[in-house]
Amino acid sequence: DIVMTQTPLSSPVTLGQPASISCRSSQSLVHSDGNTYLSWLQQRPGQPPRLLIYKISNRFSGVPDRFSGSGAGTDFTLKISRVEAEDVGVYYCTQATQFPWTFGQGTKVEIK
Amino acid sequence: QVQLVESGGGVVQPGGSLRLSCAASGFTFSIYGMHWVRQAPGKGLEWVAFIRYDGSNKYYADSVKGRFTISRDNSKNTLYLQMNSLRAEDTAVYYCAKDVGSGRLYWGQGTLVTVSS
Repeated sequence: DIVMTQTPLSSPVTLGQPASISCRSSQSLVHSDGNTYLSWLQQRPGQPPRLLIYKISNRFSGVPDRFSGSGAGTDFTLKISRVEAEDVGVYYCTQATQFPWTFGQGTKVEIK
Repeated sequence: QVQLVESGGGVVQPGGSLRLSCAASGFTFSIYGMHWVRQAPGKGLEWVAFIRYDGSNKYYADSVKGRFTISRDNSKNTLYLQMNSLRAEDTAVYYCAKDVGSGRLYWGQGTLVTVSS
């Protein structure tokens, strides 16, 4: 199975400041079709997860442009350009390149 | 408006069984693959199972293989998860999710399963 490792696990951020979360996979996420199926999810307190970014850097419908994704192969990053109060929650990276799909441990973003 | 409504959760004793349902509406259910993903209290996400749009292929996490069965009834727009031989470590919120391709999932609200004596 592909192991997804996120850092940091906790990220206290000042409102209006940037935040960055890293995700590393134990093997390349490049699929045989040439795509890299790495996604980022946001889970606000008491809510189900919500898709933010798919295929490394594509923002899902309705996701603010302060969220961006980057990376390749085994190393990926989610950036929030200016953290807002509504961004508080836990962020997960996940791979859909092969079964079983796997998730990172989650990174808790909170306001300082 | 896409809606996924899970039901069937509750308290069950270790070794018992439970069947979860996920009622889908607002889209053509029969052309999408579907997943179950779970989240133990205060923990992260764990993928459980996937079924292709026509039920022809199914995949399971090793932790549930041989105990859980994913199925669907496209005539009823409903996804199921039959859970047998339940263990304390199966306690979690179970989410059904619509697979829209490219690793994109649309999630339901979840149903809580508690395995306890």
